[in-house]
Amino acid sequence: DTAVSQTPKYLVTQMGNDKSIKCEQNLGHDTMYWYKQDSKKFLKIMFSYNNKELIINETVPNRFSPKSPDKAHLNLHINSLELGDSAVYFCASSQAGGLAGDIEQYFGPGTRLTVT
Amino acid sequence: GENVEQHPSTLSVQEGDSAVIKCTYSDSASNYFPWYKQELGKRPQLIIDIRSNVGEKKDQRIAVTLNKTAKHFSLHITETQPEDSAVYFCAASKGYDYKLSFGAGTTVTVRA
Repeated sequence: DTAVSQTPKYLVTQMGNDKSIKCEQNLGHDTMYWYKQDSKKFLKIMFSYNNKELIINETVPNRFSPKSPDKAHLNLHINSLELGDSAVYFCASSQAGGLAGDIEQYFGPGTRLTVT
Repeated sequence: GENVEQHPSTLSVQEGDSAVIKCTYSDSASNYFPWYKQELGKRPQLIIDIRSNVGEKKDQRIAVTLNKTAKHFSLHITETQPEDSAVYFCAASKGYDYKLSFGAGTTVTVRA
């Protein structure tokens, strides 16, 4: 069973379009994340949700909107796509954060977004 | 916020030799330091982690050391093998803010 899954794996689209990426985890984790990995491999946190509540919202254009319908799902919707949005987007989950510090993160397989 | 610097950015070693990757962090409140390995086209995966109450941790051929005073930690891979070729990321976290701050990554190539 795949622990953290994402769809689609590849996404090619034109500038100006709107697209969504879906993420699901079956680990029973409380916290989910979205990362962007650019062409230089740098991993940058974008958003995090804990029990459906937004807890991390980094400096990301408001064209990006996360949505967590329940704690097993975290989707990412992107409006008006731009060339610079081309990257690999990873979803991740962890059991808990907080004082437990137990935030080992499990990553999904990634979605390679190409904007033309 | 936390700033994690990682060196070197690329590392080429002969099979069987050791590889060392070093990271520094800026926030003395950070208390959790994981290392992730990302093979080409794959997801990052945790390979080892260390918490601030421990100075060293070892798991077979990999080990991590932490110097809290100097705010740096290192990954050591001994007896490198071709399957160790990957990008390695260090990270740091305070835990309570749920956030992992990653270093820029080190591309390790093991030459046969």
